[in-house]
Amino acid sequence: DGGITQSPKYLFRKEGQNVTLSCEQNLNHDAMYWYRQDPGQGLRLIYYSQIVNDFQKGDIAEGYSVSREKKESFPLTVTSAQKNPTAFYLCASSIAGLHSNVEAFFGQGTRLTVV
Amino acid sequence: GNSVTQMEGPVTLSEEAFLTINCTYTATGYPSLFWYVQYPGEGLQLLLKATKADDKGSNKGFEATYRKETTSFHLEKGSVQVSDSAVYFCALSDPFSGGYNKLIFGAGTRLAVHP
Repeated sequence: DGGITQSPKYLFRKEGQNVTLSCEQNLNHDAMYWYRQDPGQGLRLIYYSQIVNDFQKGDIAEGYSVSREKKESFPLTVTSAQKNPTAFYLCASSIAGLHSNVEAFFGQGTRLTVV
Repeated sequence: GNSVTQMEGPVTLSEEAFLTINCTYTATGYPSLFWYVQYPGEGLQLLLKATKADDKGSNKGFEATYRKETTSFHLEKGSVQVSDSAVYFCALSDPFSGGYNKLIFGAGTRLAVHP
């Protein structure tokens, strides 16, 4: 079955450490996205990538980094510079280009907790 | 800029009650509108969408009509079930704002349905 796989489902990090969240898709989508979800708030865009080897900052990119070396993979690193990293992180993918009715497919999410 | 506003939750209903979750939007272009649903501990799933004014999206008994004159996309269901308990997100996509297919989400509305 095609879909998006995020791992791990739960992640604990000590303060000052970098951690990397995995996101893999087999939908053959060019575009991939990382969102952050906090309680009682909507999803906020961290980074997005429209094509391999290219990515752009979203609304809250500070303290995060990404890479897009393969079409299928878009890992997110939460660095020690992120002041409040405890949140639920969602990866999504879609076809790219200027299509207004494009559906985004989401992974199951990774819950990151700083201890 | 573009934005989405949803009614605050939680919304608590008895089984078989009528559901309305209000959603209004602000957009500079001609957005597509979406409703996503998130079940506990999971990612988001597309529930329905509408791509132009007066379109009605429908799925699983839910429906919403794209009203350009009132900039609204309210979600309705005639008879809710316990299994409908989830968080519902209204979102818009305006690919001509920023040059890519960016989804903008509302804060989400939690629905709890009791037997």
